[in-house]
Amino acid sequence: DGGITQSPKYLFRKEGQNVTLSCEQNLNHDAMYWYRQDPGQGLRLIYYSQIVNDFQKGDIAEGYSVSREKKESFPLTVTSAQKNPTAFYLCASRPRGGETQYFGPGTRLLVL
Amino acid sequence: AQTVTQSQPEMSVQEAETVTLSCTYDTSESNYYLFWYKQPPSRQMILVIRQEAYKQQNATENRFSVNFQKAAKSFSLKISDSQLGDTAMYFCAFMKPNRGGDKLIFGTGTRLQVFP
Repeated sequence: DGGITQSPKYLFRKEGQNVTLSCEQNLNHDAMYWYRQDPGQGLRLIYYSQIVNDFQKGDIAEGYSVSREKKESFPLTVTSAQKNPTAFYLCASRPRGGETQYFGPGTRLLVL
Repeated sequence: AQTVTQSQPEMSVQEAETVTLSCTYDTSESNYYLFWYKQPPSRQMILVIRQEAYKQQNATENRFSVNFQKAAKSFSLKISDSQLGDTAMYFCAFMKPNRGGDKLIFGTGTRLQVFP
C-alpha cells in the first residue's frame, strides 16, 4: 500500500541522548516535512526538504537535525541540545506540483 | 507574518445535526490555499477539505463544506449530518505557495464532540 510510515510509534529519550525518528514514503513525493505538536497547540514546522540532498530550517529547528539522502526517507534527529523534546512528531510529504501535504501516523517522544 | 485563529476551543453537536467551526486568518497575500485537517484520537492528521483562494466557489466534500469569505479572511467548516466518527480535533491551516517550501501555518484547533 502507498503511504507514509513513521517509526517508532513511541520513543523514550534519556537525558543527554540523541534519538532519531524515521519517516518513509512510497508515494514518490518530492517534498517532505517535519512538524512538532504540543498539547493545546497546532503544528509547528521543524525542517523541510524540497529535493534530495537539500533541506531548510523551519520555525523551530534549534536542537534538531535532518538528512535527505534518499527521496523516500527524511529522518529527524532530536539532539541533546533540544531541552524540551517531549511532544508528538508528525512527518508529511507533498507531491511535485501539488499543494496538499499528507501526514504520517506520528511518533510520540517522551523524556525519561 | 501569516496567522490562523480558531476561536472555539471546543464544540459539541448531536448526531445527525449540523455544526460550523470557525477560522480566521491574517495575510496580505492574494494567492494562497486554506485547509481543514481532522485529527481523530489516533492522532493522524487527515485532510478534510481544501480551498484555493482564487476560486470564489466554496469547496465541498460530501458532508463537509466551507464558507470562504476572502475579504473578511474567514474560512469556516460546516459539517452536515454529523456522525459519531466526526469526533476529533479540527485544525484550520493556511499555505502560501512559494519556492521556499510551502509551509503550512496551523490554528490551535477545535475539539469537536459528536454525541448520540
